Amino acid sequence: DIQMTQSPASLSASLGETVTIECRASEDIYSNLAWYQQKPGNSPQLLIYDANSLADGVPSRFSGSGSGTQYSLKINSLQSEDVASYFCQQYNNYWTFGGGTKLELK
Amino acid sequence: EVQLVESGGGLVQPGRSLKLSCAASGFTFSNYYMAWVRQAPKKGLEWVATISTSGSRTYYPDSVKGRFTISRDNAKSSLYLQMNSLKSEDTATYYCARHRDSYAHSWFAYWGQGTLVTVSS
Repeated sequence: DIQMTQSPASLSASLGETVTIECRASEDIYSNLAWYQQKPGNSPQLLIYDANSLADGVPSRFSGSGSGTQYSLKINSLQSEDVASYFCQQYNNYWTFGGGTKLELK
Repeated sequence: EVQLVESGGGLVQPGRSLKLSCAASGFTFSNYYMAWVRQAPKKGLEWVATISTSGSRTYYPDSVKGRFTISRDNAKSSLYLQMNSLKSEDTATYYCARHRDSYAHSWFAYWGQGTLVTVSS
């Protein structure tokens, strides 16, 4: 089974700041990685797929990068509506999620 | 507009069974792989099951294999999850999710609002 390790588990940042969340796979997942955003009380929503492709309607301040076993999600110019939990997911071999990162405003 | 509406959650005793349903609309249901994903209270996401477009292929993690069964009725645009021998650790919100398309190795493009299952005596 592929394990996904996400860091940090929680993050506090100021409005306008740039935030980066990391995700590490236990083996090469060949960029078969997605990122989801889950706002409090809501279901998850797709942000990024194939490691760096932005889903429809997602603001351009979100970006994804990485390859092999190391991936990251970057949020430029943090907005108040970005307060949420973020999850990475590999779909190279079945489907596994990272533990999540809870993003709060400082 | 893609819509996924789950139902069937509730309080159930350990060892008992429960069947969840998901009504899909806004897309050609039979063209897409479908999945169930759960989230325990205040916890992360866990993939529970995936089913192919025809229903001939199903996939499960070890945590539910042999206890849960995913199925679909393409004529009714509906997805199901039969959960047997329920344990307290199965307590979670269960989300119905649509894969990107008819390809197994894809992300979950759309999610329902979820239905809460509580396993407790």
